[in-house]
Amino acid sequence: AQTVTQSQPEMSVQEAETVTLSCTYDTSESDYYLFWYKQPPSRQMILVIRQEAYKQQNATENRFSVNFQKAAKSFSLKISDSQLGDAAMYFCAYRSANSGNTPLVFGKGTRLSVIA
Amino acid sequence: DAGVTQSPTHLIKTRGQQVTLRCSPKSGHDTVSWYQQALGQGPQFIFQYYEEEERQRGNFPDRFSGHQFPNYSSELNVNALLLGDSALYLCASSLETVYGYTFGSGTRLTVV
Repeated sequence: AQTVTQSQPEMSVQEAETVTLSCTYDTSESDYYLFWYKQPPSRQMILVIRQEAYKQQNATENRFSVNFQKAAKSFSLKISDSQLGDAAMYFCAYRSANSGNTPLVFGKGTRLSVIA
Repeated sequence: DAGVTQSPTHLIKTRGQQVTLRCSPKSGHDTVSWYQQALGQGPQFIFQYYEEEERQRGNFPDRFSGHQFPNYSSELNVNALLLGDSALYLCASSLETVYGYTFGSGTRLTVV
């Protein structure tokens, strides 16, 4: 079974600074997807960024980028120019690409605080 | 375009009771998945419905059951509630051929 580990329960960053959230995963599969989701107090899971394992190029979405190291099974999220609205729980998630709509496997999350 | 809608938003039940949670998927989505998120934890997969059938199931007891209707909406039923069932229950919808999920805001269930 696949597992996702987020070793940082809490992180904080000054507004306008850069922060990196860590995620490692364990799988024997070669084809999969990785995601970072944001969960603000409103509770809705919002997709931040996704990465296909077969792509070597790291995904970027505006101020959000990932460092995907397939051999090391590492998938960190970098948030640049942090904003107050970035404060939330961040979850790393894995999904097998084997067949159909396979379920997401989540880590325990990292609570990010942004200091004004 | 309405996203995923869940009802109710909050619910308090007594141990031993039964509860039904509801989910309307995003327009055009045909697959509904349910997750349980205990306090301080990441969501755990309960089961997934497609074409009105349970297609995949996580490590949850038979007390957890569900249903999908022809309009793709879904219900999650939990029987014989335990204190440990207290959690945020999230519904996520997707289109069969697309790998992205859209989540609702969840139902906060408290069992007393």
